[in-house]
Amino acid sequence: DVKVTQSSRYLVKRTGEKVFLECVQDMDHENMFWYRQDPGLGLRLIYFSYDVKMKEKGDIPEGYSVSREKKERFSLILESASTNQTSMYLCASRLAGWSYEQYFGPGTRLTVT
Amino acid sequence: GENVEQHPSTLSVQEGDSAVIKCTYSDSASNYFPWYKQELGKRPQLIIDIRSNVGEKKDQRIAVTLNKTAKHFSLHITETQPEDSAVYFCAARGPTDSWGKLQFGAGTQVVVTP
Repeated sequence: DVKVTQSSRYLVKRTGEKVFLECVQDMDHENMFWYRQDPGLGLRLIYFSYDVKMKEKGDIPEGYSVSREKKERFSLILESASTNQTSMYLCASRLAGWSYEQYFGPGTRLTVT
Repeated sequence: GENVEQHPSTLSVQEGDSAVIKCTYSDSASNYFPWYKQELGKRPQLIIDIRSNVGEKKDQRIAVTLNKTAKHFSLHITETQPEDSAVYFCAARGPTDSWGKLQFGAGTQVVVTP
């Protein structure tokens, strides 16, 4: 069974803080993704990584950066948190190849005050 | 890039009735269309998918149909049960989307009432 875990289920941060969200998968997946989930907007892709140290911008990368130093770990960084970044953040991973199935983590509910 | 629209945003059905959710996509060359289910407080999980070389796929009470000419695909749930209550997301993979990147719809909240 694929397991994708995220470092926190709930996080409260102050405006201007640097925030790190961690995602770890245990199935040797090459591709990893960070999404933001907001009501009525679905899942919007922030960044994705197709291999270690490789990354590409998604649809809403502004205000975010990512890091992938090891294959199993993909970090999302909010350089200076703002209230409009209050959201649910979901990480996903995928094994490169024929299947496009993405396996999601449980999500991190981030509140920026 | 690919753009996916999903309707309706909410759907209330009586237990035992059928539910249909429809999605339209913009790129006629898109080739993979999955559906994810997210129960309250849980992670999204793939429930069914279809590729562009197939018109319909079934798995017990759920089915997906694809109309490439009209650029839309639909999720059909028959004999709905309370455990079908969830948010359902459609998605599409564009032909140039690298590394399995998916474009998701806005989601449909399905409520099955006993």
